[in-house]
Amino acid sequence: SQKIEQNSEALNIQEGKTATLTCNYTNYSPAYLQWYRQDPGRGPVFLLLIRENEKEKRKERLKVTFDTTLKQSLFHITASQPADSATYLCALPYSSASKIIFGSGTRLSIRP
Amino acid sequence: DVKVTQSSRYLVKRTGEKVFLECVQDMDHENMFWYRQDPGLGLRLIYFSYDVKMKEKGDIPEGYSVSREKKERFSLILESASTNQTSMYLCASSPGQGRLEKLFFGSGTQLSVL
Repeated sequence: SQKIEQNSEALNIQEGKTATLTCNYTNYSPAYLQWYRQDPGRGPVFLLLIRENEKEKRKERLKVTFDTTLKQSLFHITASQPADSATYLCALPYSSASKIIFGSGTRLSIRP
Repeated sequence: DVKVTQSSRYLVKRTGEKVFLECVQDMDHENMFWYRQDPGLGLRLIYFSYDVKMKEKGDIPEGYSVSREKKERFSLILESASTNQTSMYLCASSPGQGRLEKLFFGSGTQLSVL
């Protein structure tokens, strides 16, 4: 079955630096991959979607890459700010296109 | 903006009780989902529904059932609550019909079973 692996340890970054989070998956390559942000006690919020034929996607200070050979996606936040502190979740479709599974998330802390 | 509303933010129930968690979405989405989230385990899919009265098991359906009588409403039922069902429950919806499946989540229900 498909599995998703994200850095289980929290990532602590100095404000202004670039934060890089990793998402690895096993087995088949999905048609797309998504990233969500989750704040404590809240539901996840969609950030970005990248398709299998796209190498890179950008949105403001966010950048996502998708390497189907390595079975990996990288999520970058440039010029990080304390307000970026949250848990970031990687997600992809499972056996049916409508069924979405999630990684366990990486907690990111940006210190001033 | 799409709104997904979960009926309760916090819920405390006793072992053996029948528990209903309600979820309503206002964007005419085809798909609705129930996940539970536990520390270190991430979000795990319990059930999802791709149409009214249609449902499909997720990865951890045991001890749960669902109901979708109307398109906008998806209910999660714990037939006989147990302490290992203490968790954060998250409902989500997505457009469906082959469109790329961006999920919209509710704020979650923190359920404690005593």
